[in-house]
Amino acid sequence: QSALTQPASVSGSPGQSITISCTGTSSDVGGYNYVSWYQQHPGKAPKLMIYEVSNRPSGVSNRFSGSKSGNTASLTISGLQAEDEADYYCSSYTSSSTSVVFGGGTKLTVL
Amino acid sequence: QITLKESGPTLVKPTQTLTLTCTFSGFSLSTSGVGVGWIRQPPGKALEWLALIYWNDDKRYSPSLKSRLTITKDTSKNQVVLTMTNMDPVDTATYYCAHRRASHCYTNWGQGTLVTVSS
Repeated sequence: QSALTQPASVSGSPGQSITISCTGTSSDVGGYNYVSWYQQHPGKAPKLMIYEVSNRPSGVSNRFSGSKSGNTASLTISGLQAEDEADYYCSSYTSSSTSVVFGGGTKLTVL
Repeated sequence: QITLKESGPTLVKPTQTLTLTCTFSGFSLSTSGVGVGWIRQPPGKALEWLALIYWNDDKRYSPSLKSRLTITKDTSKNQVVLTMTNMDPVDTATYYCAHRRASHCYTNWGQGTLVTVSS
């Protein structure tokens, strides 16, 4: 199974909004509402930020939001803060393994 | 509070078999819908999903690694074990175990354990 496609890097200034895309196929992103997003700071384990395309776990800031259109999912972070600087990974259920596949990751830089 | 912790060797030789144990607390792997998965991350690279075991002992494996992986559980010990055969230097990575919820996402992760494959 191929990894989902994410941009290698995105950047934004404090207070701005950024969007990270995650492109798959009809066998994963486009076929199921089981897209998740994870935040990973250097040397740390990933943290779940969004599940089922647009749901936030308890404790995750409402500055983080998710959406999906066709085979592409998106993570939007509004009101960028320095602490948001991290790597972000999308994942989706995939029928090819009947489990999940991850994206290649996006490095967010807060300028 | 859900916690998970990976344990196992930090260094293995090429061709050897890796055995990693995930010891967890705060949930039961006999509860319907619960699963524990393994995900790895080579240094500086992306996450890669490896395997998943469900509460009912159903198992899923990465298609590209299926022939090398085995996942088992010991519900009484709150442990999940992953074995990977024929280790190669490209398998050098931090290996994570994580608690899976019903919506195919991983809500809680262990701290990870770095496994280096080298002779």
